[in-house]
Amino acid sequence: DAGITQSPRYKITETGRQVTLMCHQTWSHSYMFWYRQDLGHGLRLIYYSAAADITDKGEVPDGYVVSRSKTENFPLTLESATRSQTSVYFCASSEWTSGLYNEQFFGPGTRLTVL
Amino acid sequence: KQEVTQIPAALSVPEGENLVLNCSFTDSAIYNLQWFRQDPGKGLTSLLLIQSSQREQTSGRLNASLDKSSGRSTLYIAASQPGDSATYLCAVRDNYGQNFVFGPGTRLSVLP
Repeated sequence: DAGITQSPRYKITETGRQVTLMCHQTWSHSYMFWYRQDLGHGLRLIYYSAAADITDKGEVPDGYVVSRSKTENFPLTLESATRSQTSVYFCASSEWTSGLYNEQFFGPGTRLTVL
Repeated sequence: KQEVTQIPAALSVPEGENLVLNCSFTDSAIYNLQWFRQDPGKGLTSLLLIQSSQREQTSGRLNASLDKSSGRSTLYIAASQPGDSATYLCAVRDNYGQNFVFGPGTRLSVLP
């Protein structure tokens, strides 16, 4: 499938468990992002990556780990899930062309519930 | 720290009306601004991107303007349709290019 895909789309887990959310894009975009969306807080940036093996923190990185060994994949890991990490998680990508950052494209989201 | 606000928070209009959604940001040092729509339970769909050097962008019935100096952007929707019902979000990208800040959104309902 073309575009950005996320898996799983829905996940229920328990406090203290490790969870990995997957993100895959087919455009070979350089930049990839992880956001969480919560009522009352809107969308907030967790981590971003400018290229394979280059990642950096966003606004709310605590409790999350990312990696990017391949351009097309950007997994997000919750090392020890907490109830406060119950949220909808969105992956996004964008590219830099002709000296300009282009628009961001978003995946369909993963709804995570931590019990 | 950049803050983005959107007014109104919710809007209900009859079909066919022209409408304006507002987005304000506190730090004018932005790289670009992007408008999205989000349908309930779905991801974000990109509508328009305005680079900091641009004043406006148009796509079909949508027109977005940007006034960086005053920290404002507007999204104009012409001849609204029920299918336009969604939440509209604006996001600013800072001058370092790596950080996006989103507004809380405007929930639009277009009544048949």
